Amino acid sequence: ILNVEQSPQSLHVQEGDSTNFTCSFPSSNFYALHWYRWETAKSPEALFVMTLNGDEKKKGRISATLNTKEGYSYLYIKGSQPEDSATYLCAFNGNNRLAFGKGNQVVVIP
Amino acid sequence: EPEVTQTPSHQVTQMGQEVILRCVPISNHLYFYWYRQILGQKVEFLVSFYNNEISEKSEIFDDQFSVERPDGSNFTLKIRSTKLEDSAMYFCASSEQLAGGGTQYFGPGTRLTVL
Repeated sequence: ILNVEQSPQSLHVQEGDSTNFTCSFPSSNFYALHWYRWETAKSPEALFVMTLNGDEKKKGRISATLNTKEGYSYLYIKGSQPEDSATYLCAFNGNNRLAFGKGNQVVVIP
Repeated sequence: EPEVTQTPSHQVTQMGQEVILRCVPISNHLYFYWYRQILGQKVEFLVSFYNNEISEKSEIFDDQFSVERPDGSNFTLKIRSTKLEDSAMYFCASSEQLAGGGTQYFGPGTRLTVL
């Protein structure tokens, strides 16, 4: 069983503030780490696929880093906006099946 | 922008009945997947499918589950005799490549309720 953990499980952020959260995953048999943004009743939206230790990726105000040796990835949201409210899922790809964490539920307070 | 679609959005069925969940993957994708999320739990892998056969399946995907690509566009998940514990959100996904760096694109899910 692949253990993927995300913390904190939920967080409230004031509009304009920056925030970050963590995904931890097994450091062996690593192929890729995926981040998704998921709003209720919509499809999970692919944000990043990260494959190399030290990878940093950015999409607008959202960025992510990857440390495969210690088995963690950080997701950052800079200057949070109400439209950033969603659940952010990370998924570890160790053998072509995705193993998900429980998600980081973000609520941005206007 | 191409997207994965799923029907129905919500299916209610009686225990013991058969259900078929339908998905239309992105048209040029070759790899297809089913995942499910039981309420309050993590999204779990069920099965991957390529070249008209199952590539990989999890321990959840037992004999009551089957997948099929009946034509060039649809990808279905059949549950033969539903149980209460099959109640979950079922997600279909597709990708261009199987390797770890390939993005899997997800549909919006079908919420299955077994009574």
